[in-house]
Amino acid sequence: GAVVSQHPSWVICKSGTSVKIECRSLDFQATTMFWYRQFPKQSLMLMATSNEGSKATYEQGVEKDKFLINHASLTLSTLTVTSAHPEDSSFYICSADRGLTQPQHFGDGTRLSIL
Amino acid sequence: GQQLNQSPQSMFIQEGEDVSMNCTSSSIFNTWLWYKQDPGEGPVLLIALYKAGELTSNGRLTAQFGITRKDSFLNISASIPSDVGIYFCASNSGNTPLVFGKGTRLSVIA
Repeated sequence: GAVVSQHPSWVICKSGTSVKIECRSLDFQATTMFWYRQFPKQSLMLMATSNEGSKATYEQGVEKDKFLINHASLTLSTLTVTSAHPEDSSFYICSADRGLTQPQHFGDGTRLSIL
Repeated sequence: GQQLNQSPQSMFIQEGEDVSMNCTSSSIFNTWLWYKQDPGEGPVLLIALYKAGELTSNGRLTAQFGITRKDSFLNISASIPSDVGIYFCASNSGNTPLVFGKGTRLSVIA
């Protein structure tokens, strides 16, 4: 069964709206979670590393004030797309791993469409 | 940043045929992972490799971690329609973020 749960799976909203996406690790604690963005027919691009109890680490070119990440507990990380615009429309996916020698498991993704 | 070279980009095969895809890197990694992604869903882990030279099977899937630690291949034997999807290789070392290949889009013709 799923080990990482992501919610919502699909969001359609107006330009200027802020959207929050949740990523939960099921039955294990994840001190680190990762957020990816995937455009059509492309690979996953890492946006940021979410660290429990501390600030997220953002990849080059990703605006931290635009994509707010909160990892307040060992099982939950949230990504908030603030004041979303049509160019933010994409497939957002989170992942978590159980530990150093464990592979990352991915959520089912969130399809974000900004009108 | 770092990138994995994955090939082929796409494949069209007949049902029942075997499939092979591979990934190479200019850097050494400690982990090689193979994922499959269906449309509108997140990647699902197929095989994880942690040791150079390791050969691991999962049903009709077989993957190997190259001895140089810079490459890996995935084979699918006797393909079936539900094998359709995008296959990604991914690598990292320790708890660093995964680096992904660009994916291989597999189409199976019944």
